[in-house]
Amino acid sequence: NIVMTQSPKSMSMSVGERVTLSCKASENVGTYVSWYQQKPEQSPKLLIYGASNRYTGVPDRFTGSGSATDFTLTISSVQAEDLADYHCGQSYSYRTFGGGTKLEIK
Amino acid sequence: EVKLVESGGGLVQPGGSLRLSCATSGFTFSDFYMEWVRQPPGKRLEWIAASRNKANDYTTEYSASVKGRFIVSRDTSQSILYLQMNALRAEDTAIYYCARNWDGFDVWGAGTTVTVSS
Repeated sequence: NIVMTQSPKSMSMSVGERVTLSCKASENVGTYVSWYQQKPEQSPKLLIYGASNRYTGVPDRFTGSGSATDFTLTISSVQAEDLADYHCGQSYSYRTFGGGTKLEIK
Repeated sequence: EVKLVESGGGLVQPGGSLRLSCATSGFTFSDFYMEWVRQPPGKRLEWIAASRNKANDYTTEYSASVKGRFIVSRDTSQSILYLQMNALRAEDTAIYYCARNWDGFDVWGAGTTVTVSS
């Protein structure tokens, strides 16, 4: 099984700050990585697919990058409504997810 | 509007069975892979089963943790995805989501909660 490791586990940021979330795969997954946002008491929502493609309707402050084993989700200027857990997932060899990063807003 | 609505969760004793349903609407059900993902309390998302699309003969895949106990199937006439869960264990306690797989899971249901406890 491919293991996806996210860091940090949690972070607390102020509105307007730049946020960088990391996701590392235990082996090369190409660009078969997606990012999901899960707000409290809600189901996950797709933000990024294919490592760097923004899904329909996702604000352009969200950017995905990376390939092979190292991936990043960047929020250029975090907003209060971005309070959520963020999950990465790979679909190169079936599907596995990272442990998530909890984003809190100061 | 594309919608997925899960149902069938509840409290079940260890060793028991449960069948989850995922009613879909707003898209051509046969065109898409449909999958089940679960989230145990306080833990990461875990993919557990997939039903490929019609072009791939609706073949199925399972995670090691549920293979041999869970069965995913479709009613294509009603556009419903099912998950038959047998020999349930305490570690199967989770919110169960069905999700459409288009290049990433692009549509998710609200989830249904399964609790396995005596």
